[in-house]
Amino acid sequence: GESVGLHLPTLSVQEGDNSIINCAYSNSASDYFIWYKQESGKGPQFIIDIRSNMDKRQGQRVTVLLNKTVKHLSLQIAATQPGDSAVYFCADSADGLTFGKGTHLIIQP
Amino acid sequence: GAGVSQSPSNKVTEKGKDVELRCDPISGHTALYWYRQSLGQGLEFLIYFQGNSAPDKSGLPSDRFSAERTGGSVSTLTIQRTQQEDSAVYLCASSLALGRTEAFFGQGTRLTVV
Repeated sequence: GESVGLHLPTLSVQEGDNSIINCAYSNSASDYFIWYKQESGKGPQFIIDIRSNMDKRQGQRVTVLLNKTVKHLSLQIAATQPGDSAVYFCADSADGLTFGKGTHLIIQP
Repeated sequence: GAGVSQSPSNKVTEKGKDVELRCDPISGHTALYWYRQSLGQGLEFLIYFQGNSAPDKSGLPSDRFSAERTGGSVSTLTIQRTQQEDSAVYLCASSLALGRTEAFFGQGTRLTVV
């Protein structure tokens, strides 16, 4: 069946650097996407969302890019901080709310 | 309440027993979602409700799992004859509208079957 998936399970970056987390989706009917952050022992927390009529959306230190042609989504985090260490999930709302496997972002001091 | 509330936060049960997990969504949220998350893994989608209706139950792992929602509010996930492989964190989320707005998650119920 169709699914939402992530390219890399683990991403390690230096504190202060920018990080990019990627996500591929396969459901062509998808028109709304969400990025979540999950810290250890907690439920996922909303970061940013984007609708299919947009290519880019910016928040505080985060930017989401959507490429509908290749069905690709990315989350950019600027100037990473230790508190950014978490697992990041993209979600596709075409059929309920379906999550990818997740990328574990590790911030090295 | 201010957020999604799940109870109990932790549940240890013996293999073969039935368990019931509860989710109180944010007031006014019409959509409600259940997920299962094993240690270090992603979120496995189980079922969603639009109002009191669950259009697609194919995500439930087996016929031992069932879920209901009443009054467009509280939802319960029931697992009958629990097995050790049912051990996981069960997460609930709710959103204002299905597939159109962000979903907010509860802290989850950690289920351990011994």
